[in-house]
Amino acid sequence: EQLVESGGGVIRPGGSLRLSCVASGFRLEDHGMSWVRQVPGKGLEYVSGDLWNGRERGYADSVKGRFTISRDNANNSLSLEMKSLRVEDTAVYHCVRGGTGGSGNDLWGQGTMVTVTS
Amino acid sequence: DIQMTQSPSTLSASVGDRVTITCRASQSVSYWLAWYQQKPGKVPKVLIYQASKLHPGVPSRFSGSGSGTEFSLTVTSLQPEDFATYFCQQYNIGPYTFGQGTKVDVK
Repeated sequence: EQLVESGGGVIRPGGSLRLSCVASGFRLEDHGMSWVRQVPGKGLEYVSGDLWNGRERGYADSVKGRFTISRDNANNSLSLEMKSLRVEDTAVYHCVRGGTGGSGNDLWGQGTMVTVTS
Repeated sequence: DIQMTQSPSTLSASVGDRVTITCRASQSVSYWLAWYQQKPGKVPKVLIYQASKLHPGVPSRFSGSGSGTEFSLTVTSLQPEDFATYFCQQYNIGPYTFGQGTKVDVK
C-alpha cells in the first residue's frame, strides 16, 4: 500500500499548481483522504480532506477559497488544485489516507515540496 | 475551526520515565481524537485513535484517554525510540485540525 505525490515545484506568488496523489495497493473509494502540509521542522497543518464519496470535509481557513480538493476513484487518485499561491503556502504537502472505522490517518505519502518565492 | 492546544511544547525526559502530554480542544470533539508520533525525516505514524484505542502494532506502553475537550497521551516507560514529536488531531468536525506538537527530548 502506497501513496505517491507529484506536482510540487517552485512557483511565483499568485501562481497556481496542481498536486496529484496516486494510490496503489488499495481502493481509494474505500477511504476518506486528506492533504496535510508541513513546513520542514514545523508542525502539521490540515489543508483539506474528503470522504470516500467525495464530500468535502472542510478547508483550513488559510487556504479556503484558493485550494480545491478532488478525487478520481476510477484512477485511484486524489488532487489538490492550488491558486493564488502565497509565500506562506511553502511546505511539503502530504497525501494521507483515513483509516477505516475512524482509525485515524494510517497511511502517509512522502510528500511533494511546494516553494512559493519571488 | 476547532483549535487544538497541546502542552507542554517541549518535554525533557529520561529512559524509563512516565510521560504525559495533554491536548485541549476549543469545543467538544467527542472521542474523535488521534495521536501521532513523528521522527525527524519521517512521516507521522498513528499511535492512538478514537481517543483511547491503540493502533495495531503500537506498543502497549502508549495509551490515550479523554473525551470532549480534554485528552492525554501517556507513555508508561519511555524507551530510546520514543524520543520524537507528538501531535494530536481532532477528526470530529472539518477541517480536522492538529495540535502544534510536543517534542519529547532527552533530559
